[in-house]
Amino acid sequence: GAGVSQSPSNKVTEKGKDVELRCDPISGHTALYWYRQSLGQGLEFLIYFQGNSAPDKSGLPSDRFSAERTGGSVSTLTIQRTQQEDSAVYLCASSPPTGGSSYNEQFFGPGTRLTVL
Amino acid sequence: AQSVSQHNHHVILSEAASLELGCNYSYGGTVNLFWYVQYPGQHLQLLLKYFSGDPLVKGIKGFEAEFIKSKFSFNLRKPSVQWSDTAEYFCAVTNTGGFKTIFGAGTRLFVKA
Repeated sequence: GAGVSQSPSNKVTEKGKDVELRCDPISGHTALYWYRQSLGQGLEFLIYFQGNSAPDKSGLPSDRFSAERTGGSVSTLTIQRTQQEDSAVYLCASSPPTGGSSYNEQFFGPGTRLTVL
Repeated sequence: AQSVSQHNHHVILSEAASLELGCNYSYGGTVNLFWYVQYPGQHLQLLLKYFSGDPLVKGIKGFEAEFIKSKFSFNLRKPSVQWSDTAEYFCAVTNTGGFKTIFGAGTRLFVKA
């Protein structure tokens, strides 16, 4: 079946512009995660959704970052007034509902590489 | 604060050598532990996971990991590496029943043919 998809795959923007990153999780997966991976760094947790709710937003770096999920499916990560330090690969992952053998396993998308000039 | 530490950032081995990648975590309560792998040009994918039971878990491609609760460790091992094991390996931890996952910084493994 189809995996997690993300768009765009690459985004180059100018400092101060807003960007939207999209994630399409695997159908039926209830949990959805956003991470940021900067050069030479590990994965930095940003936010996760359970259905359309975001119980944990603790990882969002600043109020310029926001995310939403609609219909328990597609999610959008928005970065307003981008800064050069926002340049990174933004990864999305999804997990199936509890009770299955893959519970809590995260299935990752290919990422969006964001470059802020 | 919750954290995951991977001791080696870069490892270079020859084919057939044995591999052990260290992972230590700091996390209150009971945990679920994971190793993920990212092969060149591919997505991150699960290598193996520990939830409960036998602390020695086996994953894909001959990898295994041992959960040592007293040491807060979950080291990854493989008896004999292959060139195709060249990849970046990430250790991760989640509190049991929760979803927030903390990843280590990753270890880049290069296996010389």
